[in-house]
Amino acid sequence: QKEVEQDPGPLSVPEGAIVSLNCTYSNSAFQYFMWYRQYSRKGPELLMYTYSSGNKEDGRFTAQVDKSSKYISLFIRDSQPSDSATYLCAMSPSGGYNKLIFGAGTRLAVHP
Amino acid sequence: EAQVTQNPRYLITVTGKKLTVTCSQNMNHEYMSWYRQDPGLGLRQIYYSMNVEVTDKGDVPEGYKVSRKEKRNFPLILESPSPNQTSLYFCASSLRRLGDTQYFGPGTRLTVL
Repeated sequence: QKEVEQDPGPLSVPEGAIVSLNCTYSNSAFQYFMWYRQYSRKGPELLMYTYSSGNKEDGRFTAQVDKSSKYISLFIRDSQPSDSATYLCAMSPSGGYNKLIFGAGTRLAVHP
Repeated sequence: EAQVTQNPRYLITVTGKKLTVTCSQNMNHEYMSWYRQDPGLGLRQIYYSMNVEVTDKGDVPEGYKVSRKEKRNFPLILESPSPNQTSLYFCASSLRRLGDTQYFGPGTRLTVL
């Protein structure tokens, strides 16, 4: 079983939709949670970073962490065609927080 | 311009022929890392470095070596490449630690025949 599970999609939504992307994990030691966006033929870029449980909002993006369920989510409001990319969750334990474990990524397509 | 550069961008080689993929950053970052990306497996960390002369294994270090003799450079060395090391490789750096924004290079596509 992988430490971090992420539905690969693809997920196809119309412009303006609310998108929900999710990851589950098995290691209860994870304390740092991140979401990266990766456009085709590019390196990933950090979107959101959260420590421990709770919500964090940045513009149209909201990250949620539920440590009791070992479940994290990224919500994208008012999705745009420019949001079409692969979204990767990543997490790290508190003790060795320089090791980063990624999910496999979810491909998102937002069509006009 | 702040950036992470990797060379080469594309490489086709044969089994057993030693190769080095270079990585350089111009942001004076302390933390650097190497990842490989494979379909269905996502990004997996190979090695990381907290600073000059300080390196540690990630999740999949077997078959790879790294060195950090200068702050800006973090080369990845494959002493005897094998076909299962065919992958897309990314170098990344951040100011001090993982929680800082991590900047990724453009990737190196390696094929080992």
